[in-house]
Amino acid sequence: GIQVEQSPPDLILQEGANSTLRCNFSDSVNNLQWFHQNPWGQLINLFYIPSGTKQNGRLSATTVATERYSLLYISSSQTTDSGVYFCAVGNTGNQFYFGTGTSLTVIP
Amino acid sequence: NAGVTQTPKFQVLKTGQSMTLQCAQDMNHNSMYWYRQDPGMGLRLIYYSASEGTTDKGEVPNGYNVSRLNKREFSLRLESAAPSQTSVYFCASQFAQVDYGYTFGSGTRLTVV
Repeated sequence: GIQVEQSPPDLILQEGANSTLRCNFSDSVNNLQWFHQNPWGQLINLFYIPSGTKQNGRLSATTVATERYSLLYISSSQTTDSGVYFCAVGNTGNQFYFGTGTSLTVIP
Repeated sequence: NAGVTQTPKFQVLKTGQSMTLQCAQDMNHNSMYWYRQDPGMGLRLIYYSASEGTTDKGEVPNGYNVSRLNKREFSLRLESAAPSQTSVYFCASQFAQVDYGYTFGSGTRLTVV
């Protein structure tokens, strides 16, 4: 399967700070998603972004498929942004491979 | 609009017992998935169903079986539970061919003792 590496593994931010999370993958992909898992375990899809750039409020994501990476930007972080952020990629059919996540803690 | 509903939310099994995890979606999605999440790890695909009537193995299918009962429902069965199957199980669905990602259920926390 495709190897997915996320960095950093852990991140602690002061409320209001900005951050960039990175997802590198080992093979060409035509599917890529970013998820947020909140402290209660619920997984929420943030972006479906196999290429290009998308924005949704304070969050934006960019995927450069030719260079095998994707970035998730969080601006003006809030305590509700805390949790684990996962990147998942796929290139054939319906199989997605997940990274091990970036654990984000936002301190008031 | 309930989205993806998983039952039960919690379960404790003894080694060797069997059980079925249920998943239902009301969004008319074509594809459905079962993942497991272990501590400190990302999610790993167990089985998926690209469309009604089809099922395929994912990364970690051993010890599991699935049934796509109809377009709405996709169940996961453990025939003889083992401690290595202690995990949190997530069901997801996706409207294939459209620029949407997964919608996940809230998970089932399974402990096998």
